[in-house]
Amino acid sequence: DAGVTQSPTHLIKTRGQQVTLRCSPKSGHDTVSWYQQALGQGPQFIFQYYEEEERQRGNFPDRFSGHQFPNYSSELNVNALLLGDSALYLCASSLPDFRAAFFGQGTRLTVV
Amino acid sequence: QQPVQSPQAVILREGEDAVINCSSSKALYSVHWYRQKHGEAPVFLMILLKGGEQKGHEKISASFNEKKQQSSLYLTASQLSYSGTYFCGTEGYNTDKLIFGTGTRLQVFP
Repeated sequence: DAGVTQSPTHLIKTRGQQVTLRCSPKSGHDTVSWYQQALGQGPQFIFQYYEEEERQRGNFPDRFSGHQFPNYSSELNVNALLLGDSALYLCASSLPDFRAAFFGQGTRLTVV
Repeated sequence: QQPVQSPQAVILREGEDAVINCSSSKALYSVHWYRQKHGEAPVFLMILLKGGEQKGHEKISASFNEKKQQSSLYLTASQLSYSGTYFCGTEGYNTDKLIFGTGTRLQVFP
């Protein structure tokens, strides 16, 4: 049983560019959440998708957007990258009735 | 709004016990516990729901005091593999947001 998979694992972008990160949830999971984790900090909630709709959102600007596809996979898009967007981006999948989050290995984004 | 964990760091010898606390200023529906090793993703340990608790692992258990909006994680007879940073994640009512705590770094030495 494949767990949560994310791609790419590492990415280097220039300020002002746009980036798309991808996530495939654990088999059977239909809810996907995205988190940003800065070095030495806990994960910060960006948003959650369920049934292809954004269900919850954290305190992140509109530059952060997402999408969920019919097969439950998801994308995180960040526009107009800033140096401060450099972080580990984690995707987690869960079930509506058992909300434990299972995390992917993350995408390390470096903005230069 | 971010749950506060204490202590910030713990150093143990193999076989010793530890308690990690998580405190929230908001009413909680559930508390999750995760362990993250350096360079890896957080790994789910257990979830505690209002009105009960769920034990996920041997020698690692947790409690949830709804009235005090607090949870504690108990690690008994620690093993080297317990090393890592422990995060609590809290869910309030009418929300599916999981808010992670400040983290507790645990190091176990032989």
